[in-house]
This record gives sequence, C-alpha cells and structure tokens, in this order.
Amino acid sequence: DQQVKQNSPSLSVQEGRISILNCDYTNSMFDYFLWYKKYPAEGPTFLISISSIKDKNEDGRFTVFLNKSAKHLSLHIVPSQPGDSAVYFCAASAGGGTSYGKLTFGQGTILTVHP
Amino acid sequence: DTGVSQDPRHKITKRGQNVTFRCDPISEHNRLYWYRQTLGQGPEFLTYFQNEAQLEKSRLLSDRFSAERPKGSFSTLEIQRTEQGDSAMYLCVSTPRGRGRNQPQHFGDGTRLSIL
Repeated sequence: DQQVKQNSPSLSVQEGRISILNCDYTNSMFDYFLWYKKYPAEGPTFLISISSIKDKNEDGRFTVFLNKSAKHLSLHIVPSQPGDSAVYFCAASAGGGTSYGKLTFGQGTILTVHP
Repeated sequence: DTGVSQDPRHKITKRGQNVTFRCDPISEHNRLYWYRQTLGQGPEFLTYFQNEAQLEKSRLLSDRFSAERPKGSFSTLEIQRTEQGDSAMYLCVSTPRGRGRNQPQHFGDGTRLSIL
C-alpha cells in the first residue's frame, strides 16, 4: 500500500511564479516529513523538513505546510527559478521501532520551470 | 569528495548472475540505509545498519538479497541469481550520530542495475 502519495506526476510553472507541490499520507504514525529534490543521475538531496508539532516551516524560497487533520503537506517555492526544475519527493518518518530514521517516499513530482 | 560514495555507478548483467554493490558512507556516520528506486517510483527502504548491526530488513529484501557492514564502515549489497525485476537504482544513505532520529540524511548517487 502506498502510504505516501504524490498524485501529480508533473507540474509546469513559469519562472517567477509560485510552484506548489502536494503530498498526502495515510499512516497516522508519521510525525516527521521531508522534501527531497533529485536531478537526473544524482541521488536525492534534502530540501526542507517539518515536524508534526508545527504547521509551517520556511527556508528562503521554500516553505512547507502541514495539515495533520487532512494528512496533507505541500511545498511552496516562491519565486520559482529554472534551476528548480527537478523531481521532488515527499518523504515521511515514524517515531519508535528499530528502523531509526527510515523514510517512506512518495512517487515524486517532476517540476519544470520555464524561463 | 567527502559525500556518500557508491560503486559501481552502473552495472549491466545477465539474468541469473550475482552482483555486488558497495557503499562508502561519510566518515563517522554510524547509520546506513539501502533503498531501491524503480522507474516512476520513489525510493523504497530495503535495510538499515547501526554500526555493524543490521537492525531491520524490509520484506522487499528476498532471500536472494544480503547486505553486510562488517566493520561498521562500508557496506555491501549482494543480489544472487538476479531477475528482471531487480532492475532498479540502488541508493545508499548515511546519517551521523546524534540523539535525534531526524539527523540529516545523505544520499549517494546510486548504482543503476540493468538485467538483460
């Protein structure tokens, strides 16, 4: 079963506008969420994260919003730049157990920012 | 480069052959994970080491898969009798020591396995 879902396979945005990437999860045990960015032929790189005790976290042009009741999070990129074009993965982590820090990933969304 | 290093970057082999991948984590990182990523999907957890101890294995890791981290430094992932379905990108992740579980996770660039 897909516990973390990114229902939009792709998103196309004009440079300077806002990019909004969405992610839904089903496992109520998830309490830490991350966004990763991936370029072709490279491993994912960490972008931003949020703990379940917060509903918003900002880092420069990137903001992540968490709606626990809806089990939904989103990543906002403002303003979008052509260099942001990549695959974005949402990931979640649950506390406890022996799999310390194990991540469950969504399928990814391909973001294309046009000049 | 002091990042996570994976070798080889690409492996092409015939079905039924055995393959072994190596991961060198960032020095002093005590936690190491292996993930598998197939086309159009996100990475899926395979197994986790804390130092040399393998603490969890996913049900995705069939009996044909074995992973080791003998001295708590580098790790190897071996696949025996490869099948078409094993074609994927195999990613290694290391994280530093720390009290919080949400320590930064550093991905390698992966080994792409292609089964002919």
